[in-house]
Amino acid sequence: AQSVTQPDIHITVSEGASLELRCNYSYGATPYLFWYVQSPGQGLQLLLKYFSGDTLVQGIKGFEAEFKRSQSSFNLRKPSVHWSDAAEYFCAVGAGTASKLTFGTGTRLQVTL
Amino acid sequence: DTEVTQTPKHLVMGMTNKKSLKCEQHMGHRAMYWYKQKAKKPPELMFVYSYEKLSINESVPSRFSPECPNSSLLNLHLHALQPEDSALYLCASSQDRAGSNQPQHFGDGTRLSIL
Repeated sequence: AQSVTQPDIHITVSEGASLELRCNYSYGATPYLFWYVQSPGQGLQLLLKYFSGDTLVQGIKGFEAEFKRSQSSFNLRKPSVHWSDAAEYFCAVGAGTASKLTFGTGTRLQVTL
Repeated sequence: DTEVTQTPKHLVMGMTNKKSLKCEQHMGHRAMYWYKQKAKKPPELMFVYSYEKLSINESVPSRFSPECPNSSLLNLHLHALQPEDSALYLCASSQDRAGSNQPQHFGDGTRLSIL
């Protein structure tokens, strides 16, 4: 069965600083990988997805993620964080023919001004 | 703005009440999902509907009863809930369930409190 690990429960960065959120997955074949963001009191918004092809994927709101098969990682990055990026970030993996997403435990991002 | 609409946004009910949560999407998606999310936790899958048929039930207690009247609507009927059922209930949809490469689009959820 697939699994996702987000090692950082809580990260604090200053506005304008760069950001990297870590995600490691476990799955035997090529997984389908997603990053979602959840602001307080809201649902999950899809930031970006990786299925195949170019290992560097661009998403919305200036985010990007890089798939590294050798490290089983799919880390999310942003070169300059804005205060509005403060939220909970979930990495998720979909695998096989089932419609199940396996979510990581999430990383809470705090942005200081 | 979310393309998956959930109503109501908040619901408070007693343990003997019967209520329903509603979810609507007009993206032509044929797969719809219910998730439960406790505070500071990731969403947990409850049910999956594919082409209006229940395809996955993650061993959810029978006090939760899903219904998919048509391809745009998904309901979750609630009866005799327990305090531990208090949570954010999220609805999602995807184009179809022919593989896990379909991104799921989420609504803003219904915040449910059981007294």
